[in-house]
Amino acid sequence: DIQMTQSPSSVSASVGGRVTITCRASQGIGTWLAWYQHKPGKAPKLLIYAASSLQGGVPSRFSGSGSGTYFTLTISSLQPEDFATYYCQQANSFPRTFGQGTKVEIK
Amino acid sequence: DVQVLESGGDLVQPGGSLRLSCAASGFTFSSYAMSWVRQAPGKGLEWVSSISAIGASTYYVDSVKGRFTISRDNSKNTLYLQMNSLRVEDTAFYYCAKEGCSGGSCYKTFDNWGQGTLVTVSS
Repeated sequence: DIQMTQSPSSVSASVGGRVTITCRASQGIGTWLAWYQHKPGKAPKLLIYAASSLQGGVPSRFSGSGSGTYFTLTISSLQPEDFATYYCQQANSFPRTFGQGTKVEIK
Repeated sequence: DVQVLESGGDLVQPGGSLRLSCAASGFTFSSYAMSWVRQAPGKGLEWVSSISAIGASTYYVDSVKGRFTISRDNSKNTLYLQMNSLRVEDTAFYYCAKEGCSGGSCYKTFDNWGQGTLVTVSS
């Protein structure tokens, strides 16, 4: 199974600030990587697919990059609605696996 | 609008069974793979199972193999998860999710999710 490791597990940032979350795969997955946002009591939301493609309707302040085993999600200017938990997910093979999550909190 | 709506979650004793359903609308259900993803209390997201568009192929996480069965009825636009021999560690919100596709290509992601249904396994 491919293990996905996110860091940090939590981060505090101010509105308007920049946040970068990293995700490492235990083996190469090309660009078969997605990022999700999850708020308590809500359905998870797909933000990025194929490592760097922005899902329709997602604000351009979200961006993804990387390939192989190293990936990043950047939120360029945090908005109040962005405080949530973010997960990466590898789509290269079964079983599909998620990172453990990164909680973005208000500073 | 694309919608998926889960149902069937309940309190069940260890060793018991439950069947979850997911009603889909707003898209051509028979053209997309579908999946179940769960989140245990205080934990992260865990992929549980996926089924191909016409139901020919199914996939499971090791911890549920032999106990859970995913299926679909494309005539009813409905996805199912039959859960047998339930364990305390199966307690979670269970989400139904549609495969993400764009521009004629599919990316093995989950682009539309339901609100989830709660399964509690406890004596």
